[in-house]
Amino acid sequence: SQQGEEDPQALSIQEGENATMNCSYKTSINNLQWYRQNSGRGLVHLILIRSNEREKHSGRLRVTLDTSKKSSSLLITASRAADTASYFCATLRGYSTLTFGKGTMLLVSP
Amino acid sequence: DTEVTQTPKHLVMGMTNKKSLKCEQHMGHRAMYWYKQKAKKPPELMFVYSYEKLSINESVPSRFSPECPNSSLLNLHLHALQPEDSALYLCASSRPDVYEQYFGPGTRLTVT
Repeated sequence: SQQGEEDPQALSIQEGENATMNCSYKTSINNLQWYRQNSGRGLVHLILIRSNEREKHSGRLRVTLDTSKKSSSLLITASRAADTASYFCATLRGYSTLTFGKGTMLLVSP
Repeated sequence: DTEVTQTPKHLVMGMTNKKSLKCEQHMGHRAMYWYKQKAKKPPELMFVYSYEKLSINESVPSRFSPECPNSSLLNLHLHALQPEDSALYLCASSRPDVYEQYFGPGTRLTVT
């Protein structure tokens, strides 16, 4: 079963706008990761946030984690057309088993 | 070299064929993974190899047979597949002590 559930399923915005995606999960976690996938390609790791962290930044990315609500959000600021992709949250089961959420398809129009 | 390569990029095979997918990395990662991804769905883990030994098999049908000949190579042998096995097959690798996984571009498999 899928551990993470993202919403929205799809998001369409204009270049320069911010994009926010949310992820909910069911069980306790040590960390939560976000990955990006361009259409039909491999996934690229974006950022990892540990369970004892509440917020983390990487360039135009900002991730928050609320373990009490079992939820995380990914904010992409000043979006670009090149940010068009699917975004997945992923939680770790054991030491190496990633379980991905259903993903959010982001479309950034010029 | 921070790349995971996969060959072939595309593969079309019949239900009676035998074929293999190949994955290679030269990052010194000792954990390697096979995932299956159907259209508009998230990747689903199939197998995990740790230090060249199969450590996790997510109840994958025996028509999929993984092999790890050495620390840089991972194969997935395919035999008697079904049309519903058509999907994007992704390989990934990671250091055993680091959670981030590096993914290859995938092999798009079509079973006819």
